[in-house]
Formats: sequence, C-alpha cells, structure tokens
Amino acid sequence: QQQVKQSPQSLIVQKGGIPIINCAYENTAFDYFPWYQQFPGKGPALLIAIRPDVSEKKEGRFTISFNKSAKQFSLHIMDSQPGDSATYFCAASESGQNFVFGPGTRLSVLP
Amino acid sequence: KAGVTQTPRYLIKTRGQQVTLSCSPISGHRSVSWYQQTPGQGLQFLFEYFSETQRNKGNFPGRFSGRQFSNSRSEMNVSTLELGDSALYLCASSLEHSSTDTQYFGPGTRLTVL
Repeated sequence: QQQVKQSPQSLIVQKGGIPIINCAYENTAFDYFPWYQQFPGKGPALLIAIRPDVSEKKEGRFTISFNKSAKQFSLHIMDSQPGDSATYFCAASESGQNFVFGPGTRLSVLP
Repeated sequence: KAGVTQTPRYLIKTRGQQVTLSCSPISGHRSVSWYQQTPGQGLQFLFEYFSETQRNKGNFPGRFSGRQFSNSRSEMNVSTLELGDSALYLCASSLEHSSTDTQYFGPGTRLTVL
C-alpha cells in the first residue's frame, strides 16, 4: 500500500530522444508527487512535482503526466542531453509527510 | 538560502563501532528526515523529526537512532556497526506539514564499515 513502483530500472537513449519513466502507486491518500534527479556523489535534487488535480505539468524539457484513475504518473524528458544522464526517482507523499520513493531509474543519454 | 548540509561527508569505521552523523536543515525548515541509500535497496526511510519529536519511523533496527535539537539540526546515531550499514546516508528537510511540502536533500554522508 505504501510502495511506489518505478520502471524501467535502467534506460539508454540517444541524444535528442525522449526517455519516459513510469511510476505507479496504490495509496489514494498520496497527494503530492515529486521527481528527483541524482548525480553520482550527490544527494537527490527536486526536478519537478505535480498534484493529483492536474493531469500534466511542464518545466523546461521535463514533463510529468498524471493519470489519477490509473494511479500512475510518468516523467518525459524532451530533447534529452548527455548531461541528463543521472538516476531519477519518483516519490509520493501524503500531506507533506511519509515520503515514499520509487527504486530509481538509471538514465544514460548517449552523445 | 544555504542548502541542507551534512557532516562529515565521508566516514570509515570498523565493525562494532558507533557513529554519529549530523544534518543542518535549510533555515526555517522544521522537519528533518533521514534515509539510507544503497545500490541494491534504493532510498530507505529511517525516521523523521519535527519540532524535536520523532514523527515517523521506518523499518530499521534499534541500533539506528536520531534526535533533533531546538534549532532543527538533527543527528543520527548508529551503534554496533555492521558491514551492511555501509551506505550513503541522506538527510532531507522540509518546511512544515502541507500537501505541497517538498523535501530538499543534503549531499549525504558516505559511511564505509570495514
């Protein structure tokens, strides 16, 4: 109930491609869904976040799509660049508490 | 505003020893959470402190403990270290209870247990 599932575990795309990372949850009390980006040796950094009353949110080249009925959300990276190579975590929280993280997706963008 | 800071950044200990890690949250943030990150297990929630009280606790043995001070700074202690405790320990702070609260992470403390 508290888990957030994330797929794929790893992803390789060519520069300019559009990697898509998917997450799913069970707990309908979750009301905030952030995505984090982590580079080796660094802590995760907030990338973009969405609330369940919105179906899509864009910030620069990053887009979150949210499907409340399916309890799924995904991250799309437009025009991906080698500098986007990192590990991406989706997360969910309930009223600002009980953050639960997905297992992470290691993205490699080839030049 | 300065970000979340963690000290030390790297630590090497031997089995059986104990260790204390420190976290200073972003100014004004009252919630501090601790996570253990390992390659095989991802981000595992340890505990969360809010206004000096432990509010939530993950599924870790009692060897892992923490506390929060009146200035919101937090410490995490691991006693009787085991090889499996080698990990990156991350601290994250957030403002208060709200549905759009975001956690901001520090750079982590890399603990190696030999």
